[in-house]
Amino acid sequence: QVQLQQSGPGLVKPSETLSLTCTVSGDSISSYYWSWIRQPPEKGLEWIGYIYYTGNTNYNPSLNSRLTISVDTSKNQFSLKLTSVTAADTAVYYCAGHPFIAGPFDIWGQGTMVTVSP
Amino acid sequence: DIQMTQSPSSLPASVGDRVTITCRASQSIYKYLNWYQQKPGKAPKLLIYSASTLQSGVPSRFSGSGSGTDFTLTISSLQPEDFATYYCQQSYSTLLYTFGQGTKLEIK
Repeated sequence: QVQLQQSGPGLVKPSETLSLTCTVSGDSISSYYWSWIRQPPEKGLEWIGYIYYTGNTNYNPSLNSRLTISVDTSKNQFSLKLTSVTAADTAVYYCAGHPFIAGPFDIWGQGTMVTVSP
Repeated sequence: DIQMTQSPSSLPASVGDRVTITCRASQSIYKYLNWYQQKPGKAPKLLIYSASTLQSGVPSRFSGSGSGTDFTLTISSLQPEDFATYYCQQSYSTLLYTFGQGTKLEIK
């Protein structure tokens, strides 16, 4: 079955760029839409943005100016870059897959706790 | 933005109880409503999609209903492994997917 493996640093300094990668195994990256979702400590879930294998993206307007999601089909990977981070960006970041644009998130990565701190 | 409001925020219950969690959307989302279960330190797990379709492998004691703006998740007979936090999520507005604030199902 499809599995997602996340990678990236768990500590980022304020004003720097948060970068995470999600590797898809068990199926082609073209089979799904791919989203990033985050969860601040002790809080709820916030959708960040999605990408399709074609490169088509859609971002949460609240993050749009700082956000880039990209895809590398040759590596079956997609990535998140969030610039100018602050403590408010401290959260567990998840990658997730949905089988169509209005579909549920039925595949999840393991989550990466990212702390923004000097 | 479509706001999703869950109630209650916290629900004390006992093993064997029948429990219901409610989710209300700020506008009609037809049946584009999904339910997730999250346990501490774990990623959310899809339970129900399209308001009432049980995800493969999910026990039949979980069920969902509703359409438009009002939805419910019901667990017919609580098991020890069901104590967790539950989230609803709308996938009607693909410009901005939104989640409810969560309902924590706690042992009474």
